[in-house]
Amino acid sequence: AAGVIQSPRHLIKEKRETATLKCYPIPRHDTVYWYQQGPGQDPQFLISFYEKMQSDKGSIPDRFSAQQFSDYHSELNMSSLELGDSALYFCASSGRGGNEQFFGPGTRLTVL
Amino acid sequence: AQSVSQHNHHVILSEAASLELGCNYSYGGTVNLFWYVQYPGQHLQLLLKYFSGDPLVKGIKGFEAEFIKSKFSFNLRKPSVQWSDTAEYFCAVSPGSGGYNKLIFGAGTRLAVHP
Repeated sequence: AAGVIQSPRHLIKEKRETATLKCYPIPRHDTVYWYQQGPGQDPQFLISFYEKMQSDKGSIPDRFSAQQFSDYHSELNMSSLELGDSALYFCASSGRGGNEQFFGPGTRLTVL
Repeated sequence: AQSVSQHNHHVILSEAASLELGCNYSYGGTVNLFWYVQYPGQHLQLLLKYFSGDPLVKGIKGFEAEFIKSKFSFNLRKPSVQWSDTAEYFCAVSPGSGGYNKLIFGAGTRLAVHP
């Protein structure tokens, strides 16, 4: 069965650079969620989209923005990167009813 | 604020031992409850979930969990662990009765099973 796809899987950036993370949900899933998992920490909710509209917002820095496109894929844009942004960024998607989230493999971002 | 508390950060067991991982949450309303497992270097996978009905839910790989509403708890159990269960386990809560809600995770419990 198709799963959530995230790209790239690994990304290395310098401080103050920008990064774009992409998430392709499971086909026919209309909701996308973004989570950040710092080293040795639990995943923290950043933002979610339902039918291309932002549905909820968590602890997402103002330097970050995200959107969901007409094909339901989502992009997380991160600017002015800081060392503390180094983390594993998970995307999850859910379908009708939205009760269960399926996670992608994550993008490991390293900021040097 | 809503929060999820996992009592054990590290658990070490021998194969065939029984496992119980504690999870408590703070939220007064209706919740959906989940346990996720993260094997080394891999993404989060759903072990089991509780939405409503029978408070004893069975998941994959022989895991089960019991929802005790009066105690705000959702403890994970397995009668006999295997070496392949070595992983990190996250309890998560989705507040609200509807879907499409964010997940609030606990800090995780890192389980090491020795042969």
